[in-house]
Amino acid sequence: DAGITQSPRYKITETGRQVTLMCHQTWSHSYMFWYRQDLGHGLRLIYYSAAADITDKGEVPDGYVVSRSKTENFPLTLESATRSQTSVYFCASSSDTYEQYFGPGTRLTVT
Amino acid sequence: AQSVTQLGSHVSVSEGALVLLRCNYSSSVPPYLFWYVQYPNQGLQLLLKYTSAATLVKGINGFEAEFKKSETSFHLTKPSAHMSDAAEYFCAVSDRGTDKLIFGTGTRLQVFP
Repeated sequence: DAGITQSPRYKITETGRQVTLMCHQTWSHSYMFWYRQDLGHGLRLIYYSAAADITDKGEVPDGYVVSRSKTENFPLTLESATRSQTSVYFCASSSDTYEQYFGPGTRLTVT
Repeated sequence: AQSVTQLGSHVSVSEGALVLLRCNYSSSVPPYLFWYVQYPNQGLQLLLKYTSAATLVKGINGFEAEFKKSETSFHLTKPSAHMSDAAEYFCAVSDRGTDKLIFGTGTRLQVFP
């Protein structure tokens, strides 16, 4: 189906483990974004990408790694998960920077 | 740096009443402005956007917002609330020429019968 998908939708992991959240879009949008949503903070940008092989840090990049080898995929990796990374993660894509389309989110719990 | 402030983390209205959700931005240059809605357990969905055309912007589901440069505001309104409007609403701003959106902290709208 066309659109933007995220997997998994729910994930529980332990402190110190590596976790990868997947994001896939079928629109061939140039821009892709990762946000985290926490109560009282709204959405905060973690990383974004303007095109394949071009990524840049957002507001809260520490502890996260991204890659974008293909236009349609933008995985987010937590190299060594911490409890403070418990959050809901949203991926978004855009053909320009002004109207972003969001995925359904991944709820991550780090124990 | 660009920022956006949403006044009131929670707003409650009765069904049929006016909905007013407030958003103020900080910028010396009028930015692009957006309102997104998030229903429970879902991602964000664009309600409407201002990109320097008409200052009164109409969106989906009967919502509209007015860009007021003198007040640096972009408040969201709906004349008559419906139960299905209960959701969280986010105002966002984009500096022209940058690649990013800055989101407010959100306003949760409750609608009572």
